[in-house]
Parts: sequence; structure tokens; C-alpha cells
Amino acid sequence: DVKVTQSSRYLVKRTGEKVFLECVQDMDHENMFWYRQDPGLGLRLIYFSYDVKMKEKGDIPEGYSVSREKKERFSLILESASTNQTSMYLCASSLRLGLGPGELFFGEGSRLTVL
Amino acid sequence: KQEVTQIPAALSVPEGENLVLNCSFTDSAIYNLQWFRQDPGKGLTSLLLIQSSQREQTSGRLNASLDKSSGRSTLYIAASQPGDSATYLCASRTSGTYKYIFGTGTRLKVLA
Repeated sequence: DVKVTQSSRYLVKRTGEKVFLECVQDMDHENMFWYRQDPGLGLRLIYFSYDVKMKEKGDIPEGYSVSREKKERFSLILESASTNQTSMYLCASSLRLGLGPGELFFGEGSRLTVL
Repeated sequence: KQEVTQIPAALSVPEGENLVLNCSFTDSAIYNLQWFRQDPGKGLTSLLLIQSSQREQTSGRLNASLDKSSGRSTLYIAASQPGDSATYLCASRTSGTYKYIFGTGTRLKVLA
């Protein structure tokens, strides 16, 4: 059974802290994504990666960075957390472009609260 | 630029009713269209995916259709149950890109 695992379901951090959100997939997928989901705004793409060490900015990359050192792991980093980054963060993965039907698989989400 | 719309935003139906959820998209050059279910505070669970060359997909009580010419997809749920209560989202992947565009979802409540 395909699986995307996000290491933390709930986090509470203080303004200015550095925050790491980890995501691991066991499907050997090339593509990995980080979204944030806010009421009324839907899902917005922060960053995606199409291969190890490769990344592209999504629609709202400001205040975030990412790391992909291994194919199965994609990390989202908040260098200095701010209250407007309080949100649900969702990681997803899919096979690379042109390979397969392009189905997107999600993790369980990480609810981050920044105080 | 692709836009995906889901109307209505919320829907309440009595148990046992057959229902249709709608998803509209503006650009017909899609690679696929995927339907998801999201329970409160959880991630998205994939329900059905329709590739651009397909017209429909079925899984159990769920049937999804795709009409690229009209820019519409529907998710049909037969004999609805209280356990079907959730938010349903659709997303399209534009041809030639990695990008998925999501609708804002329809929040479904099935009343016992």
C-alpha cells in the first residue's frame, strides 16, 4: 500500500524559531510537493521537487525553503517562523511527468501553530 | 491560467440519497483530473483519477466522469451514508507541467 508519512501531526512553535517538517514516501516517486491549506484559500503550492537536490518554487515560497537529499525524503524548512505561517501543511508525491497516470498521494498533514 | 471551481461549497443530504458533486475547470488541456476526500484535520485521500483520454472511472459506490469539451467533471455517490460525510476536492494536472490546481472543495454532510 502506498504511503506518504509526515513525521509530526501537530507542532506548536514560537515566533522566530526554525521549524523542520519532514516527509517520507515509500513509492519511489520522483516528484514531491509541499502545500499549505488555509480556510477559504484552499491548497497552495509552496515548493516541489522533481528529483534529488532539484527544487522549484511554487506559488507561495516566501519564508520557506526545502531540502531533498534523498529520493524518498522532502523537508520543508521555516527559517524564522511567523504567526502567519500557522497552517495545515500537506506533503504529496507522484511519479515523474509522463510516467503513469500522474496520481497524487498525500500524507496525513502537519498542523503547525506559531505563537 | 487554469482555474478549478467546485459548487456548491456545502451540501446536506439525507442518508440513502444519490448525489452529484461538480467540478469545473477553465483549461481543457489537462493531463488528468483527480477526486479526493478529506476528513477534518486529516490529509487528502485519493478516490478516483481520470486520465484525459478517459470519460469515467468507477470504484464501489463512486463514479467520476470527465467532459473536457465542457470543462466539467462530476463525482456521483450512490446510496449515500453518514460515513461519506467529508470534504470532497477535485484537482486537475495541466498537460506538460507538474502543477496540480485544486478546487476549494464541497463539504458534504449525510444525515442519518
